[in-house]
Amino acid sequence: DAGVIQSPRHEVTEMGQEVTLRCKPISGHDYLFWYRQTMMRGLELLIYFNNNVPIDDSGMPEDRFSAKMPNASFSTLKIQPSEPRDSAVYFCASSFGGLNSYEQYFGPGTRLTVT
Amino acid sequence: DQQVKQNSPSLSVQEGRISILNCDYTNSMFDYFLWYKKYPAEGPTFLISISSIKDKNEDGIFTVFLNKSAKHLSLHIVPSQPGDSAVYFCAASGRLTGGGNKLTFGTGTQLKVEL
Repeated sequence: DAGVIQSPRHEVTEMGQEVTLRCKPISGHDYLFWYRQTMMRGLELLIYFNNNVPIDDSGMPEDRFSAKMPNASFSTLKIQPSEPRDSAVYFCASSFGGLNSYEQYFGPGTRLTVT
Repeated sequence: DQQVKQNSPSLSVQEGRISILNCDYTNSMFDYFLWYKKYPAEGPTFLISISSIKDKNEDGIFTVFLNKSAKHLSLHIVPSQPGDSAVYFCAASGRLTGGGNKLTFGTGTQLKVEL
């Protein structure tokens, strides 16, 4: 398996523009997580899906952020409009939801810069 | 409110010596703890874990210790090698609705192993 795939790896955009980040989870995993990494707060959970359904989006910072998972192999995180404070590295992770399954597998991340 | 804290943002050790990375948590409901390692421009990768019913787990040069009464865990790396230089994240697991596990991460500790 290729692991979790994210695109783009780097995104530079101007304030006010729409940004879409993409993720392909590991095949067979039924949980998908979106995280944001900043120096001050480390890795923050933004939202997670179970079997393509959003379960908890309480970590989404504002209504400007939205996420979808139209099928088991694809998810998007959209920021509209983007602001400079959204600059961070965004990670997607997936896992199997078994009782004793704790490990999450991370993608390489998307480094977002909003100018 | 940071439920998982890594109070040392950085640590520097000599090659061959022991590296000790510390982590504190506040939520007594966490039932599993993990350490992740992150190299620049890559996603975090799982390193080692420990169940809340144990106090020690070893895997090669890595040992994790858990002190439940103090709500403290530590990762020992011995001997430390330059290739171990990375950011280390502590994570604590709690069960999610419908199965699966939610990880709460600390802010990370940058380990530098010097020659």
